[in-house]
Amino acid sequence: TQLLEQSPQFLSIQEGENLTVYCNSSSVFSSLQWYRQEPGEGPVLLVTVVTGGEVKKLKRLTFQFGDARKDSSLHITAAQPGDTGLYLCAGNTGTASKLTFGTGTRLQVTL
Amino acid sequence: DTGVSQNPRHKITKRGQNVTFRCDPISEHNRLYWYRQTLGQGPEFLTYFQNEAQLEKSRLLSDRFSAERPKGSFSTLEIQRTEQGDSAMYLCASSPTQNRDEQYFGPGTRLTVT
Repeated sequence: TQLLEQSPQFLSIQEGENLTVYCNSSSVFSSLQWYRQEPGEGPVLLVTVVTGGEVKKLKRLTFQFGDARKDSSLHITAAQPGDTGLYLCAGNTGTASKLTFGTGTRLQVTL
Repeated sequence: DTGVSQNPRHKITKRGQNVTFRCDPISEHNRLYWYRQTLGQGPEFLTYFQNEAQLEKSRLLSDRFSAERPKGSFSTLEIQRTEQGDSAMYLCASSPTQNRDEQYFGPGTRLTVT
């Protein structure tokens, strides 16, 4: 069973700070997704990365896929309270349609 | 643009009762997935359909669970003889065949078994 580990598990920062969340695995993924989930709601897709070394930007969020396609990172610049939520990475090994989700990083951004 | 919808949003039931949840995917998406999420964890895969065909089931899907997608559109997930361990958020997602990796989730159904 593939396992995606995320770090840190919890992060509490003040508005304006930068942060990085990591997603690591021993398995190679054909693609990797990042989602944000708010309490009582379903995960919302932020980005998909498919090529080793790929970098994608979404406003203040920068996503990177590792060269070996085993890991990924999410960097947020100048965090805002609206960034608060559970960040989940999810991978597809390419042999099945199911996504394997990471353990999640809960981010709290305060004023 | 209508996203994935799920009904009901919340369900409280007594142990031993049967429950059924419905998922309506994004209209042009022919792949539909069910996941379960417990508190503090990421979602775990249960099963998926391509059109009306159920192509994969997780070992998490015990004999008490059954899912259908009779016309290749909406899907139902039924849990028979519910147990307290079934309490969780049940999430539905859909994706287009040409980009199956991008799965779009509904708001979920929160099940509480008392």
